[in-house]
Amino acid sequence: EDQVTQSPEALRLQEGESSSLNCSYTVSGLRGLFWYRQDPGKGPEFLFTLYSAGEEKEKERLKATLTKKESFLHITAPKPEDSATYLCAVGDSGGSNYKLTFGKGTLLTVNP
Amino acid sequence: DAGVIQSPRHEVTEMGQEVTLRCKPISGHDYLFWYRQTMMRGLELLIYFNNNVPIDDSGMPEDRFSAKMPNASFSTLKIQPSEPRDSAVYFCASRRTKAFFGQGTRLTVV
Repeated sequence: EDQVTQSPEALRLQEGESSSLNCSYTVSGLRGLFWYRQDPGKGPEFLFTLYSAGEEKEKERLKATLTKKESFLHITAPKPEDSATYLCAVGDSGGSNYKLTFGKGTLLTVNP
Repeated sequence: DAGVIQSPRHEVTEMGQEVTLRCKPISGHDYLFWYRQTMMRGLELLIYFNNNVPIDDSGMPEDRFSAKMPNASFSTLKIQPSEPRDSAVYFCASRRTKAFFGQGTRLTVV
């Protein structure tokens, strides 16, 4: 059974204080690792898809990286508007590409 | 495009009542997904459709849950009878190349 574990559960940063969120996964065959951002009262918003170890994607202050066992979401010089829950999900090549298994997320709070 | 539209945004119902959640996907998207989100279990896929046909419903927790997609622009998720443990936020998402989620329906069964 696919498993996704995100850490930490919650993270408080000061504006400008860079950090990383972790997503550890167990799948029989990775068919994509996905990062989403979720704001309170809203649905998840797609950020990145990574497909193979060594791959990196960047968007503004966010950079996602992937190894064979985990993914990191690096946040550089965060701003208060980066506060949200960040969700990680994996697709298993042994199953449906669309049957994503989600972690429980990391709640990020960036204080001004 | 207005995005994925779900209704109602909030639903409070009594145990044993029938609940119907509605979703209008983004035009042109050929996949539609229903998810449930709780603090305990996080985000779980319940069922998904491709071109209006249910493909995988293995995430549907019990026979009390059913989903339909009569056409490309509308889907429903029905719970009958509802129970307190069904209380959660239910999301609909649609996809062509990447998935877009609706705002969700917060269901409370008392």
